[in-house]
Amino acid sequence: QQQVKQSPQSLIVQKGGISIINCAYENTAFDYFPWYQQFPGKGPALLIAIRPDVSEKKEGRFTISFNKSAKQFSLHIMDSQPGDSATYFCAASDSNSGYALNFGKGTSLLVTP
Amino acid sequence: ETGVTQSPTHLIKTRGQQVTLRCSSQSGHNTVSWYQQALGQGPQFIFQYYREEENGRGNFPPRFSGLQFPNYSSELNVNALELDDSALYLCASSRSNTGGGETQYFGPGTRLLVL
Repeated sequence: QQQVKQSPQSLIVQKGGISIINCAYENTAFDYFPWYQQFPGKGPALLIAIRPDVSEKKEGRFTISFNKSAKQFSLHIMDSQPGDSATYFCAASDSNSGYALNFGKGTSLLVTP
Repeated sequence: ETGVTQSPTHLIKTRGQQVTLRCSSQSGHNTVSWYQQALGQGPQFIFQYYREEENGRGNFPPRFSGLQFPNYSSELNVNALELDDSALYLCASSRSNTGGGETQYFGPGTRLLVL
């Protein structure tokens, strides 16, 4: 079964706006939560990642917010740009499984000019 | 670019055939994980190799097998191909002292089409 649930499936945001993608998980053993960006015909590229001992991590325009009690985490893309148009995947993993990644189903983001 | 390379980029096979996909890990990385990504879906973990041995496996049948070589490169072999095996196969490399490694960097993938 899907261990990481991701929403929305697709998202349209105007240039300069904030894109927000949400993920939820059940397995409390997960201790590493990365976000990947994938362009058509390419492999996923690591964007940013967080561990559950931190509630927020920011790198440039990308921010992860993490709520351990709710078992939810989200990606915020500030000042969204047309070049950010891609598919975004959240994932979760843990040391017991060699950090095998459990991916969400992805969110297709379109940033309009 | 991550430094992870995969070959071939595209492949067409017929049902029942066998296929071998190859992956070269990023310099300094000793662990390779393989994922299958069906169209419009997130990648699914197939298995992971560390120190030339399988170090974990997802929900895939035994006809999916692999190898890791002393230089940490890896192969994915799929026997008795089925139509549902059509997908993008991704290799990811990472570094660990115990197997695994949380930060995984993906290659560009091999697109397999089974007819």
